[in-house]
Amino acid sequence: DTEVTQTPKHLVMGMTNKKSLKCEQHMGHRAMYWYKQKAKKPPELMFVYSYEKLSINESVPSRFSPECPNSSLLNLHLHALQPEDSALYLCASSQGAEKLFFGSGTQLSVL
Amino acid sequence: GDSVTQMEGPVTLSEEAFLTINCTYTATGYPSLFWYVQYPGEGLQLLLKATKADDKGSNKGFEATYRKETTSFHLEKGSVQVSDSAVYFCALSPSSNTDKLIFGTGTRLQVFP
Repeated sequence: DTEVTQTPKHLVMGMTNKKSLKCEQHMGHRAMYWYKQKAKKPPELMFVYSYEKLSINESVPSRFSPECPNSSLLNLHLHALQPEDSALYLCASSQGAEKLFFGSGTQLSVL
Repeated sequence: GDSVTQMEGPVTLSEEAFLTINCTYTATGYPSLFWYVQYPGEGLQLLLKATKADDKGSNKGFEATYRKETTSFHLEKGSVQVSDSAVYFCALSPSSNTDKLIFGTGTRLQVFP
């Protein structure tokens, strides 16, 4: 199984809502990533977990809260988002940056 | 800081034409270099990589050579197909932090029959 599965595929939320994005991989990878991609822009790194510990936080606002419950799962908790946070959120996993496996993403719209 | 610069698109070609997408980088030390491809509505997929100077990465007819003297990693294909239409991202992984992947802005390729 070489898939990274992300749910939901689409999410619409209001600025006062709390929601979560989920990501799952069963490749035994030690590292998991969250990226944010705006339309026609490159992915921007948000967070990296290595061996279930947060290793990189690219100065992301606290309204985004990552969580890694175990080696196969990665969550991104969302609270009090702004319309400019609307984007495609990509999860990836790897044994290192030698090869990242990306999910197909969650398209988030904040109203 | 480390960065990647790609040629702006879109690149529009006829089927069987030769493709070049330019990529240059700025980095300290010896980064690893990558090309990723993103098809509409999908996540990114690794196309090829090179981990040291003069290495050539290749896959599915695409090639790129790690040129340290010109800090470049240009993507080439001898004969493109309609199915190659996608967005191509050049990326680097710094030698100082191998968990980090820094992407260029992406180049959209459109191939017409």
